[in-house]
Amino acid sequence: ETGVTQSPTHLIKTRGQQVTLRCSSQSGHNTVSWYQQALGQGPQFIFQYYREEENGRGNFPPRFSGLQFPNYSSELNVNALELDDSALYLCASSLQGIHHEQYFGPGTRLTVT
Amino acid sequence: KQEVTQIPAALSVPEGENLVLNCSFTDSAIYNLQWFRQDPGKGLTSLLLIQSSQREQTSGRLNASLDKSSGRSTLYIAASQPGDSATYLCAVFYTGANSKLTFGKGITLSVRP
Repeated sequence: ETGVTQSPTHLIKTRGQQVTLRCSSQSGHNTVSWYQQALGQGPQFIFQYYREEENGRGNFPPRFSGLQFPNYSSELNVNALELDDSALYLCASSLQGIHHEQYFGPGTRLTVT
Repeated sequence: KQEVTQIPAALSVPEGENLVLNCSFTDSAIYNLQWFRQDPGKGLTSLLLIQSSQREQTSGRLNASLDKSSGRSTLYIAASQPGDSATYLCAVFYTGANSKLTFGKGITLSVRP
């Protein structure tokens, strides 16, 4: 059974640029959630996707958007990057809806300069 | 506001000590509570998941309890080892519209040899 994977591991971008982060869910999982974790803080929920539809969103602006594909992998897109977007971005997958146990990937460290 | 609090932010104990990590939450209307471990710069590893109907869960040297009426959960670590050094995060899945996994800021544990 393959766990949750994320790419890239690290990324450095300039303010104003756009970035795409990728996540492959654990085999058989149909729900993917994205979180932002600033240094010294707990992860903050960005949004979740269930069967390719956005199914819940946290307090993040529209420049944070996402997709889920038929194989349940997912992308997180962030436009017009700001310095405060620098964080660890975590993807989590679960089975049959987000209420089940969440399995997290290793994260993507994004630095915005 | 639905929040999760973990106090203290950091804890240092000698090897072999039994210890308890605390988590409090503001609303008893929850689906489940999950404890995670996070090593520096890494993703989250799920330790234990307690459904709202359960009182505790055990895995090896770890035992987690849940008391919804008082809004508390504890993670008990028996016979601590230096390898247990990490940040431990508590996360609650609240019920209701737009429900999402809400994290505490974590407790950074250091086990001294």
